[in-house]
Amino acid sequence: DARVTQTPRHKVTEMGQEVTMRCQPILGHNTVFWYRQTMMQGLELLAYFRNRAPLDDSGMPKDRFSAEMPDATLATLKIQPSEPRDSAVYFCASADQTGPLSYEQYFGPGTRLTVT
Amino acid sequence: AQSVTQLGSHVSVSEGALVLLRCNYSSSVPPYLFWYVQYPNQGLQLLLKYTSAATLVKGINGFEAEFKKSETSFHLTKPSAHMSDAAEYFCAVSGANNLFFGTGTRLTVIP
Repeated sequence: DARVTQTPRHKVTEMGQEVTMRCQPILGHNTVFWYRQTMMQGLELLAYFRNRAPLDDSGMPKDRFSAEMPDATLATLKIQPSEPRDSAVYFCASADQTGPLSYEQYFGPGTRLTVT
Repeated sequence: AQSVTQLGSHVSVSEGALVLLRCNYSSSVPPYLFWYVQYPNQGLQLLLKYTSAATLVKGINGFEAEFKKSETSFHLTKPSAHMSDAAEYFCAVSGANNLFFGTGTRLTVIP
């Protein structure tokens, strides 16, 4: 059945290194969301795209985070340079918003990032 | 502005007992409301949704929720808890293009 996939599932890196997380949305879904989940802050919306164009990235630290959709089947979230406070689980979710607005989001399994 | 408040960050119930997880919402427009469940080391999975049709919504795994406009509530219930229901549950309300999630309620089921 159709699923959102994320790679890598786990990433351990040292402070200062670049980290790239990838997401493949469900085929046909045109809207992609990036979330970050931590114990302290809970689930935070970082950014989202529709038809590959960024709609809102106000939740994302601009100085070190960037998000792109090179094509309809791939979304990327990059952190450069990474810091220990970026340690979290990063989720991608997709939605089909091609017709009447659908709020139903389908989540990937997440990327668990640890920055030492 | 849209927001949800989940009362109780942790709820414990005995196996076979009623599950009640509370969610109150704030919305300036008629809302769509959702409950998601997150099992350990997994992403969020949709349990059920309210989209302005029937006020009593049935979802997967025996869960249901009732939309009460007068109380601005969308509480999640299950008549009899099972060990496999232990997870974190998130309530969400629709925004302009996205969802606003609550802080989550961790459900523990005691054997």
